[in-house]
Amino acid sequence: AQKITQTQPGMFVQEKEAVTLDCTYDTSDPSYGLFWYKQPSSGEMIFLIYQGSYDQQNATEGRYSLNFQKARKSANLVISASQLGDSAMYFCAMRDGAGNTGKLIFGQGTTLQVKP
Amino acid sequence: DTEVTQTPKHLVMGMTNKKSLKCEQHMGHRAMYWYKQKAKKPPELMFVYSYEKLSINESVPSRFSPECPNSSLLNLHLHALQPEDSALYLCASNPGQGIREQFFGPGTRLTVL
Repeated sequence: AQKITQTQPGMFVQEKEAVTLDCTYDTSDPSYGLFWYKQPSSGEMIFLIYQGSYDQQNATEGRYSLNFQKARKSANLVISASQLGDSAMYFCAMRDGAGNTGKLIFGQGTTLQVKP
Repeated sequence: DTEVTQTPKHLVMGMTNKKSLKCEQHMGHRAMYWYKQKAKKPPELMFVYSYEKLSINESVPSRFSPECPNSSLLNLHLHALQPEDSALYLCASNPGQGIREQFFGPGTRLTVL
């Protein structure tokens, strides 16, 4: 069965510093997709970054980068130059490889607080 | 138009009421989803519609009834809910090939008294 694990319930980071949020996954499917979403207190889920299992390079989107280590089954999110607006809950998710429904399996989430 | 909209933003209802949540997208996406999210927990998938047909029902109680009248619109009809059904209900859409990200709406915060 597919599983996503986020072991950090909460994290603190100083403004302008970089922070890494951990995510490990488990799947026997060779084709899968990994996602990170940000959820501010307002509730909306904001897509941040995507990594496909066959992608050769680590994904980057602005200040977000994904440290993809396939052999270790980890997909950590790195946020560079943290801003106060980065304070939110962050979810790692994996797309169910079966079929084309795009079903997402989420980790438990990490709450990030950025200190001024 | 690159967004998913949801109405209402907030809803308070009694256990005997009937209400509906609405979700709309005009991105031509052919897959739409309902998720339920309790506070400080990840979203839990409820239903998936693919090309306007129900493709996944995650054993959701019958007091929740989804409907997809057309490719742009997704409804969730609520009847005889329980206080434990109070949660954030999120709608999402995807182009339909299971590719890349799902686009989420802002959610409806539901309180059942």
